[in-house]
Amino acid sequence: SAVISQKPSRDICQRGTSLTIQCQVDSQVTMMFWYRQQPGQSLTLIATANQGSEATYESGFVIDKFPISRPNLTFSTLTVSNMSPEDSSIYLCSVVPTGETQYFGPGTRLLVL
Amino acid sequence: SQQGEEDPQALSIQEGENATMNCSYKTSINNLQWYRQNSGRGLVHLILIRSNEREKHSGRLRVTLDTSKKSSSLLITASRAADTASYFCATVTQGGSEKLVFGKGTKLTVNP
Repeated sequence: SAVISQKPSRDICQRGTSLTIQCQVDSQVTMMFWYRQQPGQSLTLIATANQGSEATYESGFVIDKFPISRPNLTFSTLTVSNMSPEDSSIYLCSVVPTGETQYFGPGTRLLVL
Repeated sequence: SQQGEEDPQALSIQEGENATMNCSYKTSINNLQWYRQNSGRGLVHLILIRSNEREKHSGRLRVTLDTSKKSSSLLITASRAADTASYFCATVTQGGSEKLVFGKGTKLTVNP
């Protein structure tokens, strides 16, 4: 398994500002994933972050809006840029440390006013 | 994009009863994973079933997989109030990366 922490756990932000979410894993992993969960909805993958290369974004998500850093094998950040109320969601990171099981962090609950 | 549907969308039962949730998906898969989420918190991994497996058990959980119908079911036996949560299935597409494609989820309420 993996122990994953995220910071912040929650935040309330003003529209037009940006928020950077941190994800820390207790072991080295090749890929880290960032998901968004809009209120009352399921999870949607934003991007896959590999260490040492550009993140791969899913359809509907762009780097200018959700820039991602992956400086090493245990850490990643997701920035939500120029926020609007529609960005209010839970943002979760996840990893596959070994085998096939994917483990999730506790999530960052974001409210944009 | 969402892989498929989960059914029912909401389920309310009494403590001690069994709860069955179904999941359908659209593509060929490597594996299917079930997760639980309490009140919008992080996801807890429940069980993983590979495409060449038909049934798995873990405690009070039983998962089946029918790749010919592209469907899976999660059975929780002897439910408890603490099982109240949202349950999601998620698939890893065959030949793809390890990214998960989630179903829409079932909101389970177990009444004491």
